[in-house]
Parts: sequence; structure tokens; C-alpha cells
Amino acid sequence: DVQMTQSPSSLSASVGDRVTITCRASQNIFNFLNWYQQKPGKAPKFLIHAASTLQSGVPSRFSGNGSGTDFTLTISSLQPDDFATYYCQQSYSTSYTFGQGTKLEIK
Amino acid sequence: DVQLVESGGGLVKPGGSLRLSCAASGFTFSNAWMIWVRQAPGKGPEWVGRIKSKVDGETTEYASPVKDRFTISRDDSKDTLYLQMNSLKIDDTAVYYCTSCLGLGKSGVVPASMLYYYYGMDVWGQGTTVIVSS
Repeated sequence: DVQMTQSPSSLSASVGDRVTITCRASQNIFNFLNWYQQKPGKAPKFLIHAASTLQSGVPSRFSGNGSGTDFTLTISSLQPDDFATYYCQQSYSTSYTFGQGTKLEIK
Repeated sequence: DVQLVESGGGLVKPGGSLRLSCAASGFTFSNAWMIWVRQAPGKGPEWVGRIKSKVDGETTEYASPVKDRFTISRDDSKDTLYLQMNSLKIDDTAVYYCTSCLGLGKSGVVPASMLYYYYGMDVWGQGTTVIVSS
């Protein structure tokens, strides 16, 4: 299975900050990389596919980058609604795998 | 509106069985490849398995921890997805989500096989909780 490793596992930031979350794959997954946002008690919400393509309705302050094994999710100016847990997920192999998550907390 | 609604979760003893259902609406269920994802308390999501559409062979794939214990099936006449879980273990305790890569917002018809690999899971149910405990 493709292993996905996210860092950091948690992050404290303030409204208006720029934050970047990193996701690393254990092998080349080209750009088969998706990002999700999850809030407590809710299902994950799909944000980005193909490493950098924003889902319709996702604010432009979110951006994704990367290919191969190294990927990033950046939020350019944090808003109160952005405090949540973020997961990367590879769709290169039939057996999807997720990162362990990055919990974004208010400083 | 596109919707997935899971049901069937509950408390079961180790070694027991449970069948989850997922009722779909708002899209052509028979064309969709459907996926089960679970999330143990305090952990990240974990892919459980996938079933293709009938036209693509209705074949299934499973994650190693559940292979030979769980079975995914579908009834296109009822727009419903199922997850039969046997020989349940304490580690199977989780919220179970039904999900799919529908390509919502994409123009044109994109084959489900392409959506599975080139897109993401853009529709999710609310989840149903399974607790395995003695």
C-alpha cells in the first residue's frame, strides 16, 4: 500500500495567518492526490483533487501544489471557518490511503 | 440533491455480524462506483473497499484488515449499497461512511473508472457508528 505521511500533526495559528500543510507519499503517485477538510462529528469535505484543482465552491484562499511524492496544502489567509482537521488521500492505487491528518487550531 | 444515507450501525459483540446499508438519491446510482470508508475514534479515515458498477463488472476490492470478513454489494433496483460485516473485531469500531467519486460540477459525462482515480470522493453520507465490544 502507498503510505501517506502528513506534517505537522497539529498546528496553532491565528485568523489571517498563512499556513502550509505537507503530505508525503511513500512512492511516486504523480498528481493523484486529494485534500479533505473535516470538522468534528461531520464527514470529510472534498476540497482539492489532482493535487491542485479546487472543487467548485471552495474559497480561493485554499491552494494545492506538488507532484510525485511531495505535496502541500496552503491556506493564504486563515478564516474562522478553516479551523478543522485536514487529510490528504492518494487515488493512484485502487486501495486509497489517507494521511493521519493535520489539526489546525486557533492560537 | 445528491444524498447518501447510511443505516444499520450499532453495538455488537466480538465475532458478531452486522449489515450496513446506504440509500442513494439524486444521481444515477447504477453508474457509480461506490466506496466504504471508516474512521476509528480519534483516527484518520481508512478506505474499506469499493464496488464497481454493474456495467463495469460489479467487482469488489477490500482493504487487507477486512478482506475475507467484509462483503460489499449493491442493489441498483433499490439504489442501495450494503456492507456485510462478519467476524467483527474490536478494531472494527468506527464510524462507517458511504461515499463516491461522482465528479459533481464536471461538465460532460466522465466514466466512473476515470473518476475513481482522477477525482476525489465528493459525496459522503453522514456516517453510521459501529461499536464492537463485549
